[in-house]
Amino acid sequence: NAGVTQTPKFRILKIGQSMTLQCTQDMNHNYMYWYRQDPGMGLKLIYYSVGAGITDKGEVPNGYNVSRSTTEDFPLRLELAAPSQTSVYFCASSYLAGAGEQYFGPGTRLTVT
Amino acid sequence: TQLLEQSPQFLSIQEGENLTVYCNSSSVFSSLQWYRQEPGEGPVLLVTVVTGGEVKKLKRLTFQFGDARKDSSLHITAAQPGDTGLYLCAGGSGSRLTFGEGTQLTVNP
Repeated sequence: NAGVTQTPKFRILKIGQSMTLQCTQDMNHNYMYWYRQDPGMGLKLIYYSVGAGITDKGEVPNGYNVSRSTTEDFPLRLELAAPSQTSVYFCASSYLAGAGEQYFGPGTRLTVT
Repeated sequence: TQLLEQSPQFLSIQEGENLTVYCNSSSVFSSLQWYRQEPGEGPVLLVTVVTGGEVKKLKRLTFQFGDARKDSSLHITAAQPGDTGLYLCAGGSGSRLTFGEGTQLTVNP
């Protein structure tokens, strides 16, 4: 099993550009999450999904959108990139909600200039 | 909004020393998890505690969940350089986890 994979690993965007961060998991997990992590900080939840077709906002959803058309994929869309979105983005999945272990991808390091 | 506060934020110690990291909240969580993260990688789960007062041991690491399920601690005995990393606590509620800001631990040889 590859676990959770994310692409790209690095990306530089200009202000106002858009992009999609890809996330795929092969563990058949229903729950998937997108977090951002600023330098030296913990993780902030952007969006999450409890199953295909169902998504919900986390703590910091502004400037982002998600979709969940399949169990495996949970892409994160950035529209009109801003410098405040410079961060490392992690996708995670879990079999159980709440107390379930979350498996994280390797992250995407995004810089907006 | 549920918040988790970790202390200390940074900790630099010598190999062989003991240390304790704290994770506190004013909210009750259904579970408390501890993750460790190394540079350039995603966090990896160390332990999950779900019962108030629960204590779990993982080799030299001891985890405790507070009786009221609002706080937790991580104690490392005889720290080694391989323990260096960012330690994150995370409280479970519903379908989500709320993460603390992390404790950056450096163990010097």
